[in-house]
Order: sequence, then C-alpha cells, then structure tokens
Amino acid sequence: EAQVTQNPRYLITVTGKKLTVTCSQNMNHEYMSWYRQDPGLGLRQIYYSMNVEVTDKGDVPEGYKVSRKEKRNFPLILESPSPNQTSLYFCASSPGFTRGYTFGSGTRLTVV
Amino acid sequence: KQEVTQIPAALSVPEGENLVLNCSFTDSAIYNLQWFRQDPGKGLTSLLLIQSSQREQTSGRLNASLDKSSGRSTLYIAASQPGDSATYLCAVPNSGNTPLVFGKGTRLSVIA
Repeated sequence: EAQVTQNPRYLITVTGKKLTVTCSQNMNHEYMSWYRQDPGLGLRQIYYSMNVEVTDKGDVPEGYKVSRKEKRNFPLILESPSPNQTSLYFCASSPGFTRGYTFGSGTRLTVV
Repeated sequence: KQEVTQIPAALSVPEGENLVLNCSFTDSAIYNLQWFRQDPGKGLTSLLLIQSSQREQTSGRLNASLDKSSGRSTLYIAASQPGDSATYLCAVPNSGNTPLVFGKGTRLSVIA
C-alpha cells in the first residue's frame, strides 16, 4: 500500500532531551515536507526537501533539524525540545510540484 | 507570500442538505489546489486535487471548482451525511514547487 509512515504516533518527553520523529514513504516521491498543527494557527511548514541532500526552511524552522540522506526517509530532529514545540506533526510527500501531497497519520508530541 | 482563507470557520447543517465551502488565496500564480479532510486528532485525507488548467474536479458527492484569476475555490458537498462531519482544509503551494500553505479550515457538522 502506498503510504507515508510516521513514528512514533504519540510521544511525551522532557525539555532538552533530543528526539527524532521518523518519516518514510514508499512511493519514490521526490518531495517531502514537515508541518506542525496548532489550535488557532493551523498547519505551518517547518522544513521541506525537493530531493536527496536538498532541504530548505519553511515558515517555522527554529528548533528543528532535518536530513534527507535517502529518497524515502525524511526524519525531523528536535535537538533540545521545549514546551512550545508541543504540537501535532505531519510529514507529507509528493511526486512533483504539479501533483498532490500524501500525508502521514501524524505524531502528537508533548514536551513537559 | 501566499495566504489562504477559508470561510466559514464552522458550519452546521441538517443531513441531506447541499453545502458549499469557500477557499480564497492571495497569489493566483498557483500550479494546483488541494482539498483535504481531517477528522479530529487524525491525519489529512486528500479529497480532490485541481490543476491550475482545470475548472472543476469531481469525486462522488464532492465537486471542487477553481477560479484562478479571482483566487477562489469552492468545495460543494451534495446530500450531506453525518459521516461528512470533519474539518475541511484547502491548500496551495507557496510558490512553484514548495510545500503547501493551508487555510485554517472549515469545521463541518452534519446533524442527523
């Protein structure tokens, strides 16, 4: 089944403890991106990648890192999480800019 | 920078009613527009993707239209059902091949 897989689905962590949220797609898509969703603010872009080893900042990149070493994987790294990064995170992929995006099921992160 | 607005923010209708959700965007130089559905706390399911060269796309009881020149799209839902209750989001690429800019959504409740 064609899909975008995020792990974990739920995560509670403490301030300052580094964590990685994984994202993998099995559709050979070039484009991958990360979003966060917050009440009242909607979905906002964090980082995106147009190909292997090519990444760029979205609207809210502060406090996050990404890497794209393989086409299928696009992990989101929080080096020192803070409570304001408590959010619902989504990964998405697309075969190209004229095509639509497929989203993962989301990761609900709580930083205490 | 692209901005996307959805009106109304919330809508409650009786079962069986036909309804229209509205989406507007500020930069008409888009390649496509995508409508999504999101159930509470869940991921995003793609409903329809309209290319910039298209005026309409249909899937079952859903019909989406696009008027690029005026920066507007509508999602028409025919014969609404309680199972249609969800938040509906529209999204466009920020520019060219960059990831999506989302509206804040319309929360739809269909009352049996």
